[in-house]
Amino acid sequence: EIVLTQSPGTLSLSPGERATLSCRASQSVSSNYLAWYQQKPGQAPRLLVYGVSNRPTGISDRFSGSGSGTDFTLTISRLEPEDFAVYYCQQYGSSPDVTFGQGTKLEIK
Amino acid sequence: QVQLVQSGAEVKKPGSSVKVSCKATGGIFSSYTFTWVRQAPGQGLEWMGEISPLFAITNYAQRFQGRVTLTADESTSTAYMELSSLRSDDTAVYYCAKSSLTVALNWFDPWGQGTLVTVSS
Repeated sequence: EIVLTQSPGTLSLSPGERATLSCRASQSVSSNYLAWYQQKPGQAPRLLVYGVSNRPTGISDRFSGSGSGTDFTLTISRLEPEDFAVYYCQQYGSSPDVTFGQGTKLEIK
Repeated sequence: QVQLVQSGAEVKKPGSSVKVSCKATGGIFSSYTFTWVRQAPGQGLEWMGEISPLFAITNYAQRFQGRVTLTADESTSTAYMELSSLRSDDTAVYYCAKSSLTVALNWFDPWGQGTLVTVSS
């Protein structure tokens, strides 16, 4: 099983700042099949990025993904109040046995 | 675009079973793969399994093998997740989501709103 470790566990920033979230895999993620999700309290997760760096229709270009192999990053430029949430990475290269990271909580400083 | 609407919250006794539904509106139901993910209170996301009605394929996470059953009813465009032998640590929000049997496309989008299952004596 591929274990995903996200860091930091909690990130405290102010609106307008830039956020950098990390996701490290215990082994190389096949073909860079990595996604990121945002989850707000009481809501279902929402897909932000797939295939490391692709955004679905409707996702702001303030969200960008990068990385390869075992190290991946989600960057949120110019934080807006609605961006404060929990973020999860997911690898699907070993489908059907997909795995998630434990999450990074982005909170307002 | 497909939307997924799940059944309401459940309270169950230890040792019993629960069946959660996920109704799809929009698109062609049988062409979709549905995955189930759960989230214990204050915890992260855990993949449980997936079902493809079109290919009659189900895949289950090893830790849930033998306890979870995924089914689908094309006549009502509804996918189901049944979990048996419930324990207190099965208390969680259960989500369905659209996924894919094709590895390159197997991200989860969209998601249902979630169903809270509480296991308590």
